[in-house]
Amino acid sequence: TQLLEQSPQFLSIQEGENLTVYCNSSSVFSSLQWYRQEPGEGPVLLVTVVTGGEVKKLKRLTFQFGDARKDSSLHITAAQPGDTGLYLCAGWEGGSYIPTFGRGTSLIVHP
Amino acid sequence: DAGITQSPRHKVTETGTPVTLRCHQTENHRYMYWYRQDPGHGLRLIHYSYGVKDTDKGEVSDGYSVSRSKTEDFLLTLESATSSQTSVYFCAILAYSGNTIYFGEGSWLTVV
Repeated sequence: TQLLEQSPQFLSIQEGENLTVYCNSSSVFSSLQWYRQEPGEGPVLLVTVVTGGEVKKLKRLTFQFGDARKDSSLHITAAQPGDTGLYLCAGWEGGSYIPTFGRGTSLIVHP
Repeated sequence: DAGITQSPRHKVTETGTPVTLRCHQTENHRYMYWYRQDPGHGLRLIHYSYGVKDTDKGEVSDGYSVSRSKTEDFLLTLESATSSQTSVYFCAILAYSGNTIYFGEGSWLTVV
């Protein structure tokens, strides 16, 4: 069973601060995704990265896939209260229809 | 919006009673999943389906059964509910474009 370790588990910061969330594995994934879940709702896909070393930007969010496709990071610049939520990474093995989810990083951004 | 509807959204039931959660999709996706989400454990796969009458177990399938008699409906049954099954249950579907998982809004189940 492949595992995805996310860190930190919890993050509480002030508006305007920067932060980075990590997703690590000892296994190689063909692609990796980041989801955000707001309280009372299901997770929603933010981004998919498929190439080792790939960097994608979504406004103030920057996603990076590690060169060896074993890890990924999510960096948020100038966090806002609207960024509050649970961030989940999910890895896909080639040919599998079952993603591996990390346990999530709970982010709270205080005004 | 992937057209996923879960019902009921909230339920309180007594220990030992059977409970069925329903997931309905409107877009004919082949793969459907049931997850439970608990603090400290993240999302854990209970069962999944890859077609009508084709289902398989996930990592936490004990005490749960599923059925899929139509493409659009995936039912999760707790055969005899226990307090350890108090959780939030999410149904999800796989959209092949980009391997995107779309989740339903969740069903909050409390077993007392």
